[in-house]
Amino acid sequence: GAGVSQSPSNKVTEKGKDVELRCDPISGHTALYWYRQRLGQGLEFLIYFQGNSAPDKSGLPSDRFSAERTGESVSTLTIQRTQQEDSAVYLCASSLGGFEQETQYFGPGTRLLVL
Amino acid sequence: KNEVEQSPQNLTAQEGEFITINCSYSVGISALHWLQQHPGGGIVSLFMLSSGKKKHGRLIATINIQEKHSSLHITASHPRDSAVYICAAARRGGTKTSNTDKLIFGTGTRLQVFP
Repeated sequence: GAGVSQSPSNKVTEKGKDVELRCDPISGHTALYWYRQRLGQGLEFLIYFQGNSAPDKSGLPSDRFSAERTGESVSTLTIQRTQQEDSAVYLCASSLGGFEQETQYFGPGTRLLVL
Repeated sequence: KNEVEQSPQNLTAQEGEFITINCSYSVGISALHWLQQHPGGGIVSLFMLSSGKKKHGRLIATINIQEKHSSLHITASHPRDSAVYICAAARRGGTKTSNTDKLIFGTGTRLQVFP
């Protein structure tokens, strides 16, 4: 079966442009997570979708970041007016239940470079 | 002080050695995760623990809820175990209609196992 997929795998953009990152979770997984990893640094938790609960957006780095999920399927992470400090690998993961219940399956990430 | 602390930051070992990586946390958690990040960047979830001990092959993870401490052990280490090992604390929050669960990451332990 397919794992978690993310697209694009690499994205180079100019400062000020908007970008949209996509995550396709494993079918049947109700929980979906977005993380960020800047070069040489640790993982940062961004946002978590679980069922019909409204996600807490306080982990998003700024109001330029937004994330949506359609039901229990695809999620998109949108960064508006990109800045150089947004350059990072953006990782998505999914699991059958929440992270107090299940291990997570990670996608390969989208490597974003803002020039 | 970080809410999740790992030690050591870097670890080198000879093939065959027994390895221990420690994780301490200062927040109330619902579960603790151990992740492995390969040199190429891919992330694999190793364990999700809420109590006691779990074993998978040569890997063993333990957690002591009262002491807020978890350990990851690798028996008979091998060069292919070389990776960054990350612990992450799952902090539960929210209500039935809003989700404020968060995952708080340690800074990682970089392990190199030499033949």
